[in-house]
Amino acid sequence: SAVISQKPSRDICQRGTSLTIQCQVDSQVTMMFWYRQQPGQSLTLIATANQGSEATYESGFVIDKFPISRPNLTFSTLTVSNMSPEDSSIYLCSVGWGRATNEKLFFGSGTQLSVL
Amino acid sequence: AQSVAQPEDQVNVAEGNPLTVKCTYSVSGNPYLFWYVQYPNRGLQFLLKYITGDNLVKGSYGFEAEFNKSQTSFHLKKPSALVSDSALYFCAVRAPNTNDYKLSFGAGTTVTVRA
Repeated sequence: SAVISQKPSRDICQRGTSLTIQCQVDSQVTMMFWYRQQPGQSLTLIATANQGSEATYESGFVIDKFPISRPNLTFSTLTVSNMSPEDSSIYLCSVGWGRATNEKLFFGSGTQLSVL
Repeated sequence: AQSVAQPEDQVNVAEGNPLTVKCTYSVSGNPYLFWYVQYPNRGLQFLLKYITGDNLVKGSYGFEAEFNKSQTSFHLKKPSALVSDSALYFCAVRAPNTNDYKLSFGAGTTVTVRA
């Protein structure tokens, strides 16, 4: 298993500003993903954070809006840029090792973002 | 493309009664299926997974799930529910036998267990 620390746990932001969310894992992991959980909805994958290269974004998500960094195998950041109230969601970091095809993913406790 | 459906938004049961949370899936090939639980103000916790083998999978906190290929279902069950089982439950699927570990989640089912 892994201990995943996400910061901040929650924040209230003004529209037009940006927020950077950090995900720190206590061991090296192969895979890191960022998910969004909008109010009352399921989890939607934003992107795969690739170590040392640009993130791979899912349909509907773009780098300008959600820039992602992953400088090493234990850390990643997700920035929510130029925020609007529609960005109010829980953002979750997810990690795995990819050592087996039946790998399960572990999730951080999430960052609850409210945009006014 | 892979997907899962959780047909019930909410499930309400009395403590001590059996609990079932339904999930059906759609994927090419044999699926990798997962159940996660989300308690208030917390992240997702892994409950159990089905990869291959026995159709009845046992997981954490006394939960189990039964894989039914003919019905493309993977319902989560607990023989005797506890008030502490009240939470949001997600079924998830991923493409099998690939290096694509991304999960597709269902909409979630809110379980309320009343004392």
